[in-house]
Amino acid sequence: EVHLLESGGAVVQSGGSLNISCEASGFDFGSYAMNWVRQAPGKGLEWVAGLRSRDYWTDYADSVKGRFSVSRDNSKRLLFLYMKNLTVDDTGLYYCVKKFSLEVDAFDFWGRGTQVTVSS
Amino acid sequence: SHVLTQPPSVSVAPGQTAKISCGGSATELISVHWYQQKSGQAPVLVVYDNFGRPSGIPERFSGSTSANTTTLLISGVEAGDEADYYCHMWSNPLQQYVFGSGTKVTVL
Repeated sequence: EVHLLESGGAVVQSGGSLNISCEASGFDFGSYAMNWVRQAPGKGLEWVAGLRSRDYWTDYADSVKGRFSVSRDNSKRLLFLYMKNLTVDDTGLYYCVKKFSLEVDAFDFWGRGTQVTVSS
Repeated sequence: SHVLTQPPSVSVAPGQTAKISCGGSATELISVHWYQQKSGQAPVLVVYDNFGRPSGIPERFSGSTSANTTTLLISGVEAGDEADYYCHMWSNPLQQYVFGSGTKVTVL
């Protein structure tokens, strides 16, 4: 059974930094692209960043480009998101999500999320 | 701003069919995916690549496309289908994933 467990969420001050993690199990982690999606309180879903499995190519939403960095450790089945220069607009629940397959862009498994709150 | 346009809300009586539209440029609506998010829970993939249905998703959930619109159809709506529904796709022009603004489905 696929399982994604996020951790590391916290309350940080505006301008601060934070590193959140996702521990994966139940599938061949190293063979799948992984992504981060966030959801501000009472708002919709926003894709944040993605990391391919083979060439480690990264993609970022314009809203976080230059401030966030996604990485992975396949040997430990871990996905990371390093966030710096945080603003109140970065507040939200951050989900770790698995890409369906190489050919299908959908996100087939989601974690329960870790809460990041940026205070002014 | 959202590249994908969804109606804010849809109301449907039990047993009827809910239709949730997702509008965008015809050249972009190649592979659209749909997620159901119930209150307080993580999203769940219910349709992928416009028509595909993941394992474990009831046949009541299906997708259709026409012109500049992709639609999620929920037939035989049940009270348990009340949720927010989001469309999603990879945008080649933007080189980013995009989500629609979400549609709240209310079962009357």
